[in-house]
Amino acid sequence: DVKVTQSSRYLVKRTGEKVFLECVQDMDHENMFWYRQDPGLGLRLIYFSYDVKMKEKGDIPEGYSVSREKKERFSLILESASTNQTSMYLCASSLSAYEQYFGPGTRLTVT
Amino acid sequence: KQEVTQIPAALSVPEGENLVLNCSFTDSAIYNLQWFRQDPGKGLTSLLLIQSSQREQTSGRLNASLDKSSGRSTLYIAASQPGDSATYLCAVRGTGGTSYGKLTFGQGTILTVHP
Repeated sequence: DVKVTQSSRYLVKRTGEKVFLECVQDMDHENMFWYRQDPGLGLRLIYFSYDVKMKEKGDIPEGYSVSREKKERFSLILESASTNQTSMYLCASSLSAYEQYFGPGTRLTVT
Repeated sequence: KQEVTQIPAALSVPEGENLVLNCSFTDSAIYNLQWFRQDPGKGLTSLLLIQSSQREQTSGRLNASLDKSSGRSTLYIAASQPGDSATYLCAVRGTGGTSYGKLTFGQGTILTVHP
């Protein structure tokens, strides 16, 4: 079974803090993705990576950056957290264009 | 730009009913389509993946169909159970270039199956 894990289920941070969300997959997938999910807006792609050290912007990259130093790990970074970044963050991975597998999500609250 | 619409937004049925969830997409140039289930506060669980060359896929009580030319997919759930209550999401994967592997999601259908 594919397993995608995220470092925290719940996180509370203050405005202006630098925030790191970590995602690890155990199936040697080359593609990894970060989404955020908000009521009424659905899932929106923030960034994705199709190889180590490779990344591409998704639909809403502003205020975020990513890092992929190893194939199994994809990090989402909020350089200076703001209240409008309060959301559910979901990580996913896939082998090429096949099924995407999702992690359990991190509910981030920025106060 | 691809847009994915799911109808209905919410559905409430008694246990045992057969039901159909609908998904439509505006750009028929898709690589495949994936159906997910999401329980409240949790991540997404993949249910079925249909390649663009396929017409349908089945897994247990679930059957998903795809009509690429008309931009439609349906998820059929047979003999629904209270445990099927969740949000069901449809997502399409584009073809070629950097869209390869990226999914565009619908807003989801919230299903409630009552005993």
